[in-house]
Amino acid sequence: GESVGLHLPTLSVQEGDNSIINCAYSNSASDYFIWYKQESGKGPQFIIDIRSNMDKRQGQRVTVLLNKTVKHLSLQIAATQPGDSAVYFCAENKGGADGLTFGKGTHLIIQP
Amino acid sequence: GAGVSQSPSNKVTEKGKDVELRCDPISGHTALYWYRQSLGQGLEFLIYFQGNSAPDKSGLPSDRFSAERTGGSVSTLTIQRTQQEDSAVYLCASSFGAEAFFGQGTRLTVV
Repeated sequence: GESVGLHLPTLSVQEGDNSIINCAYSNSASDYFIWYKQESGKGPQFIIDIRSNMDKRQGQRVTVLLNKTVKHLSLQIAATQPGDSAVYFCAENKGGADGLTFGKGTHLIIQP
Repeated sequence: GAGVSQSPSNKVTEKGKDVELRCDPISGHTALYWYRQSLGQGLEFLIYFQGNSAPDKSGLPSDRFSAERTGGSVSTLTIQRTQQEDSAVYLCASSFGAEAFFGQGTRLTVV
């Protein structure tokens, strides 16, 4: 069943390793997906987006993968750095009047 | 302004008092969202505005919480008879199209 709490799952990685953050979305009609990064004490900031007609999109050190079959979204961060420590949220846009729906977030911790 | 502006940035209030939080979205953004974030936790959806109407109020935790938006622009989130569990950061976001832009939030502390 779905978690009713908002406690964040945590992913701990060694500096320099690659990180993979996963997100499951709920609506097969969603046509746009976004990853946000939230550093301590700040509001979420846009990282990268992907439309439903794509399965992969690359940015600078980040890659987003979309698997529509299983409604799964992932964010890969290459060569993780201390500045990557943050909470990462995925969001889906269902279109129309539904707006954006955010996932619960994952706390990425970088070990030296 | 260039981004989403929220005020105040910090608010300390006594239990039982009412508070009003303000959000100035990016000019022209039709959609506006309010979220709540407790320390170390994820985003808790509160309410979504499209223009001045709120098609989704499902996240408002109780009838002590209300929000309005006027002129398709500024929004206020009001919490009546505040409780200690209302202490959190309240985030506002606006969008035109799909991507949302967030403000820095209002940190509310109820003592």
